[in-house]
Amino acid sequence: KAGVTQTPRYLIKTRGQQVTLSCSPISGHRSVSWYQQTPGQGLQFLFEYFSETQRNKGNFPGRFSGRQFSNSRSEMNVSTLELGDSALYLCASSPGGFGGTSYEQYFGPGTRLTVT
Amino acid sequence: DAKTTQPTSMDCAEGRAANLPCNHSTISGNEYVYWYRQIHSQGPQYIIHGLKNNETNEMASLIITEDRKSSTLILPHATLRDTAVYYCIVRVFSDDKIIFGKGTRLHILP
Repeated sequence: KAGVTQTPRYLIKTRGQQVTLSCSPISGHRSVSWYQQTPGQGLQFLFEYFSETQRNKGNFPGRFSGRQFSNSRSEMNVSTLELGDSALYLCASSPGGFGGTSYEQYFGPGTRLTVT
Repeated sequence: DAKTTQPTSMDCAEGRAANLPCNHSTISGNEYVYWYRQIHSQGPQYIIHGLKNNETNEMASLIITEDRKSSTLILPHATLRDTAVYYCIVRVFSDDKIIFGKGTRLHILP
C-alpha cells in the first residue's frame, strides 16, 4: 500500500504571497491532519479533516486554512505569508471514525516551506 | 499543552535495550498512550500504542504501569538507525488531534 504523499517537497516563497500544499492520504483513509514543525515551537497541530469536514482545529490564525476533497485528498493554504511561516508542514492520515478501536496516524515526508 | 513528560535526551549503547520513560500522571480513562519517533527531517513514524495492558510488536514493547500514570518504551536491541526523537503522547482513541511535546532525543552509541 502506498504511503502518505505530499507535494511539493520543497517550496520557496516571498513574504506576502500565498501557498497551497497538497496531501494524498493512504488509500481508504478518510481522516487527514496537518501539522507545522519549527525548531522553536516543535510539532503543532493545525487542523484535521474527516469526510470533507473540519473536525478539529489548532490555535493558528485564519491565514491558515484547509479543505478536503471527496477522494480524501487534502490541501492547506497559507495566505499573506510571513517569515515565521517557514517550517516543515506535515500531513498525516488515518482511517478516522468515531469510536470503536483505536488507530494510528501515518505521516507523510512533509513539505519544507521557506519564506524569504 | 502536552500531557506527558519525557527526559530531554538519552544515550544507549548499540545492541543494548533502550528504555525510554514517559510520565502521564493526568491521563484519563479513555486516553491511550502512543509512541512515535522522528528521524531527522522525516515525518514522525508510529511505533506502538496501548491502553492499560503491555503491548509488543516487531519494533518495540510498551510497558504501562498499573495506575497508568507512566509508561516505558523498550527497543530491545538498539541500532544506529534508532537514533531519533521519540514522542510519547496521550490521546483519546477517536480524536486525531495529536499534541506533541518536546520528546526524548535518543542517541545510539557505536
